Amino acid sequence: GENVEQHPSTLSVQEGDSAVIKCTYSDSASNYFPWYKQELGKGPQLIIDIRSNVGEKKDQRIAVTLNKTAKHFSLHITETQPEDSAVYFCAATPNNAGNMLTFGGGTRLMVKP
Amino acid sequence: DTAVSQTPKYLVTQMGNDKSIKCEQNLGHDTMYWYKQDSKKFLKIMFSYNNKELIINETVPNRFSPKSPDKAHLNLHINSLELGDSAVYFCASSQAPAVEKLFFGSGTQLSVL
Repeated sequence: GENVEQHPSTLSVQEGDSAVIKCTYSDSASNYFPWYKQELGKGPQLIIDIRSNVGEKKDQRIAVTLNKTAKHFSLHITETQPEDSAVYFCAATPNNAGNMLTFGGGTRLMVKP
Repeated sequence: DTAVSQTPKYLVTQMGNDKSIKCEQNLGHDTMYWYKQDSKKFLKIMFSYNNKELIINETVPNRFSPKSPDKAHLNLHINSLELGDSAVYFCASSQAPAVEKLFFGSGTQLSVL
């Protein structure tokens, strides 16, 4: 089955700096890679996703890049703000697994004002 | 007007008891899930239902029994609770064709004493 590893497990940045979270996956059949943000006491919320036919996708201050050859993808947050502080999860799923998402272990991002 | 709502938010109980967690979604989605998040924040799928039919059943003790009375509801019943069942349980839903895009509830924190 799919195995997703995520690094770092914790990340502390100064407000205004950039933050990068990296994930690797094992199943070359995976073709959908979402990122979820989980704020304290809440459920994870989808913030951005990318499919394997695209190398990069951007939405305002967040962007995701995908390297299928190396089987890794990354989340980039620019101009971080205190409200970006949360736990971020990457995930992957093969097309033939339908809705069977495998999540990474999560990254706790702390943005210091 | 919460999209995916689950009750209760907190559940504290003794070992050996039987308890239920309820989930309802008002998004009109066909697919619903139960995820377990352990103390290290690791998220793992437990069950998935599509139009009241079980489609994913991961390696979960048979003390856990999901029930879907209709496609808007997916309840989780747990028999003979054990200490290791302590975790946060998340309900989620999604809809074809974007079945991979999950909408999560806010979680139920289960503490077994």
